[in-house]
Amino acid sequence: SQQGEEDPQALSIQEGENATMNCSYKTSINNLQWYRQNSGRGLVHLILIRSNEREKHSGRLRVTLDTSKKSSSLLITASRAADTASYFCAGSTGTASKLTFGTGTRLQVTL
Amino acid sequence: DVKVTQSSRYLVKRTGEKVFLECVQDMDHENMFWYRQDPGLGLRLIYFSYDVKMKEKGDIPEGYSVSREKKERFSLILESASTNQTSMYLCASSLSYRETEAFFGQGTRLTVV
Repeated sequence: SQQGEEDPQALSIQEGENATMNCSYKTSINNLQWYRQNSGRGLVHLILIRSNEREKHSGRLRVTLDTSKKSSSLLITASRAADTASYFCAGSTGTASKLTFGTGTRLQVTL
Repeated sequence: DVKVTQSSRYLVKRTGEKVFLECVQDMDHENMFWYRQDPGLGLRLIYFSYDVKMKEKGDIPEGYSVSREKKERFSLILESASTNQTSMYLCASSLSYRETEAFFGQGTRLTVV
């Protein structure tokens, strides 16, 4: 079963606009992570937020976590064409740090 | 930089063949994972390992097995390949249960004909 469900499935914006992606998950987590995948390639880690944190920033990325609603959001500010990719959330659970991914959001940033 | 290397980028196998997908990481990571990725389904966890010779089933282990004889190497085995195992396979590793950021290989696109 998928840990996370991302919303929307696809998002198209213009360069300079902000992009917001949401993730809902099912079980308790140790932390929640966001990854990016360029077409046909492996995933790259973007940011991690622990279960006792509510918000985290990294450059143009802002992540929030609401454990009561089992949801997270990723905001990319001032988007660029190079941000075009698929974005996945992943919940880390258990002592073995099992990582379970959602279905992803495809982001298209046009010039 | 951490490097996770998958043995093949593209692979074509026949139905019924035994298939080995190899993954090697070079940073002494404890945890290793095998996922398959299909359109619209995201990444689904097949198996993971948190130590040498230790393994746990993920969400879709049927038709697969794994081997981790050495810390740096995690192999995925398709005992008898079937066409519904045609997919992109991704290997990942993470340092420990405290440091869970995962590093991914480039993926193996397997086609079973």
